[in-house]
Amino acid sequence: DAKTTQPNSMESNEEEPVHLPCNHSTISGTDYIHWYRQLPSQGPEYVIHGLTSNVNNRMASLAIAEDRKSSTLILHRATLRDAAVYYCILKGSNYKLTFGKGTLLTVNP
Amino acid sequence: KAGVTQTPRYLIKTRGQQVTLSCSPISGHRSVSWYQQTPGQGLQFLFEYFSETQRNKGNFPGRFSGRQFSNSRSEMNVSTLELGDSALYLCASRLATGTSYGRLYNEQFFGPGTRLTVL
Repeated sequence: DAKTTQPNSMESNEEEPVHLPCNHSTISGTDYIHWYRQLPSQGPEYVIHGLTSNVNNRMASLAIAEDRKSSTLILHRATLRDAAVYYCILKGSNYKLTFGKGTLLTVNP
Repeated sequence: KAGVTQTPRYLIKTRGQQVTLSCSPISGHRSVSWYQQTPGQGLQFLFEYFSETQRNKGNFPGRFSGRQFSNSRSEMNVSTLELGDSALYLCASRLATGTSYGRLYNEQFFGPGTRLTVL
């Protein structure tokens, strides 16, 4: 499975935008880029996914590099409830989600 | 709409025993996946079932098995428990299986997990 690389941790202030990077240099042409997050003591929660174009939904935006070797999850205004571990995952033709270590996001009030 | 439910939420077993965990997907969802989460290895995919058939399998020994019933409910079984099997076992469901781009096919909904402790 193609691997992803994320920073171990990031910190943000409440109400400020957060940009969470992910490198996936070995991505194949058919791999989708998924983001999930896991709040403390909960199961992971879907955030967003994309293939080539940038994507927006009510939770976040996903910016995908033109060569698809990296992507950035954008939280437009971080809240305390956004504090979680964020996982960037590549999904191939099967539906096996391979989670990495993720980025622990801390949001300061 | 009720979310994914898992029972039991907590379980304590001893080495050598076997355990069965249960997962009820969101109503209408036909795909169920299982994951193991440990502090050292993170989240690891176990297997996925769709329409009572195993579609994908992770790299776990044969002691880990599962099945899915006609109502989409799924069970996971671990035999001959080892200390290293202590983990949070998560179940996730999604509407369908396939490679369509849409969120309908790609969004997985996770349950709260079953915390298994092996003594």
